[in-house]
Amino acid sequence: AQKITQTQPGMFVQEKEAVTLDCTYDTSDQSYGLFWYKQPSSGEMIFLIYQGSYDEQNATEGRYSLNFQKARKSANLVISASQLGDSAMYFCAMREGGTPDKLIFGTGTRLQVFP
Amino acid sequence: DSGVTQTPKHLITATGQRVTLRCSPRSGDLSVYWYQQSLDQGLQFLIQYYNGEERAKGNILERFSAQQFPDLHSELNLSSLELGDSALYFCASTGGAGAFGDTQYFGPGTRLTVL
Repeated sequence: AQKITQTQPGMFVQEKEAVTLDCTYDTSDQSYGLFWYKQPSSGEMIFLIYQGSYDEQNATEGRYSLNFQKARKSANLVISASQLGDSAMYFCAMREGGTPDKLIFGTGTRLQVFP
Repeated sequence: DSGVTQTPKHLITATGQRVTLRCSPRSGDLSVYWYQQSLDQGLQFLIQYYNGEERAKGNILERFSAQQFPDLHSELNLSSLELGDSALYFCASTGGAGAFGDTQYFGPGTRLTVL
């Protein structure tokens, strides 16, 4: 069964440092997408980055990059040069091809950036 | 701003009551998804509509129903409310019917409190 595991309930990082948030997934599908979302304390879900199962290069979006290791079934989010505004919950999610068409979310990691 | 709008932002009601949550997808998006975020269950997929038709169903209770109208906005109806229905309800939209690479963009959510 498809599953997303985020083993870090909380992480701390100093401003301007890089941080890695872990995500492992389980699926028997060959076609799938992996997503990271940010949820600040205000509650909205903000899309950060996407990696497709057939993508050979790791995805990057500004300060966000996704360390995709297909054989290990991991899709870790790397945030470079952390900012105070990065403090939030971060969710890893997966979507398989076919139906039902839905996102499966992990339990999230709370990141706190300190000065 | 994702372009997805949800109203109301907050809703407080009593057990046994019925409420309607409204969602307008991003301009041009045909698919609408509903998710529930609660402390004990995390983020769970409820239901998907594509161009007015139900396309996929998740862990949606029989007391809950949804529809998508010709103008593509969607409503989630929750009836016979229980304390456990208190949660943050998200709507998300994508352009297509559901390829695994389609990014789902989330609205700001409706926080429902059942007293």
